[in-house]
Amino acid sequence: SAVISQKPSRDICQRGTSLTIQCQVDSQVTMMFWYRQQPGQSLTLIATANQGSEATYESGFVIDKFPISRPNLTFSTLTVSNMSPEDSSIYLCSVVSYSGNTIYFGEGSWLTVV
Amino acid sequence: QKEVEQDPGPLSVPEGAIVSLNCTYSNSAFQYFMWYRQYSRKGPELLMYTYSSGNKEDGRFTAQVDKSSKYISLFIRDSQPSDSATYLCAMSAVGTGRRALTFGSGTRLQVQP
Repeated sequence: SAVISQKPSRDICQRGTSLTIQCQVDSQVTMMFWYRQQPGQSLTLIATANQGSEATYESGFVIDKFPISRPNLTFSTLTVSNMSPEDSSIYLCSVVSYSGNTIYFGEGSWLTVV
Repeated sequence: QKEVEQDPGPLSVPEGAIVSLNCTYSNSAFQYFMWYRQYSRKGPELLMYTYSSGNKEDGRFTAQVDKSSKYISLFIRDSQPSDSATYLCAMSAVGTGRRALTFGSGTRLQVQP
């Protein structure tokens, strides 16, 4: 299985600021995703991070709010822009295994916006 | 109607009991089915993965998929207090190039010692 490291693991952020979350994988992977898990809720897909091109966003998520970069096959960033308390969530990076059959998650980045 | 329905629980059982966790889904394109375990303040951990219909066993865990009924199950035998967590079912479609997962809402399980 892939080892996925996320930074920061948790942060308390001021309203109106932006925070960038990093995701580093220990091996090259084809597909990387960013999910959000709001308190007490299940996981919702934000976007697919595409290597070398713009991310593909799900309905309800836009690039201006959640810009994503993926400069290579092992690294991606998600920025949460102009944060409000409603953005307080766990943000999770996930990758598809080399075989393409299984999907793994990082430990998550726990953001609280005050 | 959500694409994936899962009873949120909480489900409370005594130690040693057999636990049955279930999800139903509406999208017939789903063919990869997974179960994740999530402890409090941790990321989801992949427990079981199955493709199409049938059963798969791994230690105390058995995953079942019934595509005709659009119904999947996870059984935990000889449940332990350490199994107390939220269990998430997840699934993805084949042939669309879309490998992102659609999740159920999660079932919170409590195993009482």
